[in-house]
Amino acid sequence: SAVISQKPSRDICQRGTSLTIQCQVDSQVTMMFWYRQQPGQSLTLIATANQGSEATYESGFVIDKFPISRPNLTFSTLTVSNLSPEDSSIYLCSVETLQGGTDTQYFGPGTRLTVL
Amino acid sequence: AQKITQTQPGMFVQEKEAVTLDCTYDTSDQSYGLFWYKQPSSGEMIFLIYQGSYDEQNATEGRYSLNFQKARKSANLVISASQLGDSAMYFCAMREGRGSNYKLTFGKGTLLTVNP
Repeated sequence: SAVISQKPSRDICQRGTSLTIQCQVDSQVTMMFWYRQQPGQSLTLIATANQGSEATYESGFVIDKFPISRPNLTFSTLTVSNLSPEDSSIYLCSVETLQGGTDTQYFGPGTRLTVL
Repeated sequence: AQKITQTQPGMFVQEKEAVTLDCTYDTSDQSYGLFWYKQPSSGEMIFLIYQGSYDEQNATEGRYSLNFQKARKSANLVISASQLGDSAMYFCAMREGRGSNYKLTFGKGTLLTVNP
């Protein structure tokens, strides 16, 4: 399985500011994913980030609000811009790796964001 | 229609007993995969078990087994010999598509409480 780290693990931000979350993987992966988990809810895919191409955003998520970078095969960042209290969530990155012949998604530990 | 349905918001089980967490899915794809993840209160998403749509045998991983009934479109998780550390949210997820069309959709989750 892949070992994934995220920074920061948690943060408290003021309304109107931005937060950039880093995701680092211990091996090269083609696809990285960013999810949001609002309080008490399930996970919702924000976007898929492939190295060397623009991220693909899901319905309801736009690049201006959630810009993503993918500079290489082991690293990605997600920025949550112009923060509002509704952005308070856990943000998780994940990667797809081939494990025992199966495409499996492994997740980072998540970033807990609170917006005041 | 929901892609993944988990009808049990909460479940209780006595320590050392077995418990089944329900999951039904909806897809028109012939090739898909079903996952179960565990999310303790710390927030991390822990991969438990995977079942491919073409797998004839039910998947097993230690105390976890997946009761896959393709005709009924169900993929229930069975946890044997429950332990106090099994108390957590459990999410069923379905993978559809390949490559740039890859998507993982999560159910709303089941909160499992293991009683001593």
